[in-house]
Amino acid sequence: GQQLNQSPQSMFIQEGEDVSMNCTSSSIFNTWLWYKQDPGEGPVLLIALYKAGELTSNGRLTAQFGITRKDSFLNISASIPSDVGIYFCAGGYFGNEKLTFGTGTRLTIIP
Amino acid sequence: SQTIHQWPATLVQPVGSPLSLECTVEGTSNPNLYWYRQAAGRGLQLLFYSVGIGQISSEVPQNLSASRPQDRQFILSSKKLLLSDSGFYLCAWTRRSTDTQYFGPGTRLTVL
Repeated sequence: GQQLNQSPQSMFIQEGEDVSMNCTSSSIFNTWLWYKQDPGEGPVLLIALYKAGELTSNGRLTAQFGITRKDSFLNISASIPSDVGIYFCAGGYFGNEKLTFGTGTRLTIIP
Repeated sequence: SQTIHQWPATLVQPVGSPLSLECTVEGTSNPNLYWYRQAAGRGLQLLFYSVGIGQISSEVPQNLSASRPQDRQFILSSKKLLLSDSGFYLCAWTRRSTDTQYFGPGTRLTVL
């Protein structure tokens, strides 16, 4: 099935650094979602975006729904060890019961 | 509040044996339900989804089947497991007419 282009695939950063990742699609979406998955656990919803141009924050996390409706961005400020994990984006479209997922960004914090 | 459960949490099965994984959702009614599989270090592959009791849509033809005997219960089955069925199986739900999916804790299946 279709997957979103999510970049970067992996990131190695030091604690305290800011992080940016994005998702792009050839199709438009009505919903953009960002999830975080810890090893051996199910993905947890971080931020949901429902309107083009929308900018939403959740603590140190900020996500934006691109104006073109074909992309979305996630920023993490002042990273901490518990930010380690895999981040997935997902796009949804009205009337379609399924989401399209990105390939994931693996975030590692270097001691 | 809503809660999604999956069991078992881990399972080790021999090749050729049957499989039954269960997912239940509490605190909501008429949810859409989904089964995903995730290979190690990989993304999410949608296997089945259901918009109601007895209604199953299959995304990938394979050795697995799904059933929804009750409104908030979703079961993933196989008659004979293959080595390639190993992976991390995730169940998810959404409210009707919304996109936002919420995932369960997952089941780690190892086929030997």
